[in-house]
Amino acid sequence: DAKTTQPTSMDCAEGRAANLPCNHSTISGNEYVYWYRQIHSQGPQYIIHGLKNNETNEMASLIITEDRKSSTLILPHATLRDTAVYYCIASAQKLVFGQGTRLTINP
Amino acid sequence: NAGVMQNPRHLVRRRGQEARLRCSPMKGHSHVYWYRQLPEEGLKFMVYLQKENIIDESGMPKERFSAEFPKEGPSILRIQQVVRGDSAAYFCASFRLAGANTGELFFGEGSRLTVL
Repeated sequence: DAKTTQPTSMDCAEGRAANLPCNHSTISGNEYVYWYRQIHSQGPQYIIHGLKNNETNEMASLIITEDRKSSTLILPHATLRDTAVYYCIASAQKLVFGQGTRLTINP
Repeated sequence: NAGVMQNPRHLVRRRGQEARLRCSPMKGHSHVYWYRQLPEEGLKFMVYLQKENIIDESGMPKERFSAEFPKEGPSILRIQQVVRGDSAAYFCASFRLAGANTGELFFGEGSRLTVL
């Protein structure tokens, strides 16, 4: 699995877009980029994943750079319930979680 | 469609006892992961199982820990002779293999083990 680097923590105002960066400069061609989040001590929740193209679903958008060395998860209108630890993973098979980014949404 | 079910949700054991954690994957899922999360830390991969098969156990401690996923019934993570350092949340996740990638993992709510 490619190593990923994320900021330790971020803050965002409620209602604004939260942009979470992730570096995965050693990603291989067959490795997908996955994003999960963990709210408090609950089980992690899948958000989105992609290979090359940008992806969007009802939760978020994933922007992957053309060279695939980095990506950004976008939560378009953050709410207080989006406060969580967000994990970016680059993998072809098993998912190895790093320390993630602790995102705090402020009222 | 019920989600991934883990039980017990909370388990208290004394040092030296055995702990058995069970995980029933989502219907139609035949692949299961187990992760461990120590307090204030990230999730650590332990083992990846397919029914009746251990695919990858590179994250399992060499002693006292074992996992199985029988043809019938839940996946079991077994910890023998527990020590205080085993106190953690243990998460199970299942998925339906989709093409060349693992697709979307569905996690259970975890089993929290406390060793006294």
